[in-house]
This record gives sequence, structure tokens and C-alpha cells, in this order.
Amino acid sequence: DAGVTQSPTHLIKTRGQQVTLRCSPKSGHDTVSWYQQALGQGPQFIFQYYEEEERQRGNFPDRFSGHQFPNYSSELNVNALLLGDSALYLCASSFPGKYGYTFGSGTRLTVV
Amino acid sequence: AQKVTQAQTEISVVEKEDVTLDCVYETRDTTYYLFWYKQPPSGELVFLIRRNSFDEQNEISGRYSWNFQKSTSSFNFTITASQVVDSAVYFCALSEATGGFKTIFGAGTRLFVKA
Repeated sequence: DAGVTQSPTHLIKTRGQQVTLRCSPKSGHDTVSWYQQALGQGPQFIFQYYEEEERQRGNFPDRFSGHQFPNYSSELNVNALLLGDSALYLCASSFPGKYGYTFGSGTRLTVV
Repeated sequence: AQKVTQAQTEISVVEKEDVTLDCVYETRDTTYYLFWYKQPPSGELVFLIRRNSFDEQNEISGRYSWNFQKSTSSFNFTITASQVVDSAVYFCALSEATGGFKTIFGAGTRLFVKA
């Protein structure tokens, strides 16, 4: 049974560019959340998607946007990249209304 | 506002020692959930336990045990007879019922277990 899969695993981008990260949730899960984890810190909540709608959002600028597809997979888009966007981006999936996630291994984004 | 504090940044122990990771949380909700996750060097967060605010019963799972005390807003995690494979970063986290489904994580405690 596949868990949460994320792609790519590593990515290097230049300041000002745009990036798209992808996530496939665990089988049976239909809710996807995205987290940003800077080096040495805990994950910070970006947003959550359910039924193709953004259900809740953390304190992140509009440069961070997302999408959920009918098959429950999700994308995280970041525009106008800043050096400070360098981090591990984690995708987590869950059942609706259930507390507790299954996390993917993350995408490590480096902005130079 | 919800907040999770893990005061221990790094802990180093020798194999077979017991170690306790501290977690203190803040919340105004009466209904909330507490979690512990393990993050090995591979980066994936591994779910260890979930407790709801109405269940203060301590739990033991193999070498792992958790002590939940609402009176002190603490949810501490003890590893008995630590092993090298326990080396990782451990995160305590909190979800409030009124906060929707957002989970707030502490800064984490890095555990080093030496052989």
C-alpha cells in the first residue's frame, strides 16, 4: 500500500522563478495538507485541500497557491521565489475529519 | 492561540539509557489533539501517537510511553532502553477542534543515541 508520494525529491531554482511541487495522497485519503519546514525548525502549516477546495490556510503570502485534482492528488505552487523559500516541503494526507497525518518524504527546495 | 514548546533542542544519550522528551502546549480549546512524530534523516515524518484532550490515560507501546497531564499542559514522551535507531528529530504537535484541521508543531528535539 503506497503511502504519500511527493515529486520531485530535490529541486534547485533561481530567485524570482516559479516552482510546482506534486503530491499523491495515501490510498483512501482525500484530504491533503502542505507544510514548509525550514532547516532546524518544525513544519509550518501552509494550507489544506479537501474536495478540490482550499479549506484552511496558514500565514503564508499569496505567492503560495495550490490545487487539488479529482483523484485527490495535489500541487503546491510558489511564485516569485525568494531565498527564504528554501526549505523541505512536506505533503500530508488524512481522512476527512480525522486528526493525524501520513506524511511524504518531502521535496527539498533550494533557491539560489 | 495554540502553541507547542519543546524546550530541549538536542539530547545525547548512550544506548540502553532511558530518555524523556518534554512537550508543553498552550490552547484555549477544551477539545484538542496531541501528537508525537519522529523524523529520521530521510525526512519523512512518522506518526507515533495521537491523544485527545479527554483521555489522560498514559500509554505504553513497546519501549515508548507517553505521559499526558492536562494540569501542567504537558505531553511527555519517554523512550526506555534507547537504541541507535531511535536517533532522530522528534516533534510534538497540537490540533485544536476550533482551529479546523491545522496542526501546529513544536521546534523539535534532536535525539542522538550513541552506541
